[in-house]
Amino acid sequence: DTGVSQDPRHKITKRGQNVTFRCDPISEHNRLYWYRQTLGQGPEFLTYFQNEAQLEKSRLLSDRFSAERPKGSFSTLEIQRTEQGDSAMYLCASNLLAGDQDTQYFGPGTRLTVL
Amino acid sequence: AQSVTQLGSHVSVSEGALVLLRCNYSSSVPPYLFWYVQYPNQGLQLLLKYTSAATLVKGINGFEAEFKKSETSFHLTKPSAHMSDAAEYFCAVSDGGGNTPLVFGKGTRLSVIA
Repeated sequence: DTGVSQDPRHKITKRGQNVTFRCDPISEHNRLYWYRQTLGQGPEFLTYFQNEAQLEKSRLLSDRFSAERPKGSFSTLEIQRTEQGDSAMYLCASNLLAGDQDTQYFGPGTRLTVL
Repeated sequence: AQSVTQLGSHVSVSEGALVLLRCNYSSSVPPYLFWYVQYPNQGLQLLLKYTSAATLVKGINGFEAEFKKSETSFHLTKPSAHMSDAAEYFCAVSDGGGNTPLVFGKGTRLSVIA
């Protein structure tokens, strides 16, 4: 069990550019979550999937944000036309919807800096 | 809507002293409550969780928390602080256990002084 991995760990981009982040959940975890954490704040929920189905999107997720999990394994989060306000740590978590195995395991995050 | 309030953005204790990190929640349904710890440049790690079983929950690294419904609190304690406990601590709530999105507090940074 290698844990949740995220790539890249750091991304610096210029305002207006598009960026894409990847999350690989723990093997066989069927639920995958995206959160955003800004400096001095706790993580805020963005969206989550069960297998390939997107179950819920937060109102924080503007039209510039899109997430997918095409084969029910890894997930990508894309931000189009980035703004300085998008600078944050993007966290991915996964768990297995089965019995009491509901602990969300978090990856190390992708830190985005928009210049 | 659920919410979590963590009192004190920064707590400083001496090594060997009691650690007390405060968390109050708001929920319209019986809540599931969690404490996570985040070390610099790392993801969040679960310390413990309350899921309507015992009100006193024991977690990893000697931490424990007590669910008090009358006070809507879930404070985190550790009898004796260690230097390695210095980190950011987050309280979180959900209405569906860990299988639904978590609502986090703003966090409390714990410093341990030698």
